[in-house]
Amino acid sequence: QKEVEQDPGPLSVPEGAIVSLNCTYSNSAFQYFMWYRQYSRKGPELLMYTYSSGNKEDGRFTAQVDKSSKYISLFIRDSQPSDSATYLCAMSGLISGNTGKLIFGQGTTLQVKP
Amino acid sequence: NAGVTQTPKFQVLKTGQSMTLQCAQDMNHEYMSWYRQDPGMGLRLIHYSVGAGITDQGEVPNGYNVSRSTTEDFPLRLLSAAPSQTSVYFCASGSGTSYEQYFGPGTRLTVT
Repeated sequence: QKEVEQDPGPLSVPEGAIVSLNCTYSNSAFQYFMWYRQYSRKGPELLMYTYSSGNKEDGRFTAQVDKSSKYISLFIRDSQPSDSATYLCAMSGLISGNTGKLIFGQGTTLQVKP
Repeated sequence: NAGVTQTPKFQVLKTGQSMTLQCAQDMNHEYMSWYRQDPGMGLRLIHYSVGAGITDQGEVPNGYNVSRSTTEDFPLRLLSAAPSQTSVYFCASGSGTSYEQYFGPGTRLTVT
């Protein structure tokens, strides 16, 4: 079993829809949770990160972490065609600092149709 | 700032050949990593470094070597290429004060 599971999709939604992307994980040591966005043939870029449980909002994006269920989510409100990309969740068990050792999910491909 | 740069962008190798994938960053980041990305597998960590002279293995290190003699550069060496190493390779860097990793544009490698 992979440490981090993510449905690869593809997920296709109409413009303006609310999108929900999810990951589950098995390692209870994970404390830092990130979402990266990757456009086709580009490197991933950090979209949001959260520490431990709770919610974090940034514009149209909301990240949620439920450590008791080992489940994280990314919600996109009022989705736009420019949101079409692959979304990867990533996790780290570090208490402090960044040693570059992230565990990624498989990525979910999202297409937002005009 | 160029950020994280990778060369080459594309490469085709024959089985058994060796090559080095180059990675450089100009952000003075302590941490650098190499990942490979395969369909349905996400990004998997190959090797990482927490500073010049310090490297460690990730999830899939077999068949790859790294060294870090400077803060800026973190090359990845394939000693004897195998078809299973056909993949897209990403280099990333990050500072010790942030969890953000900055990724390069990737190197698309095909081993025949």
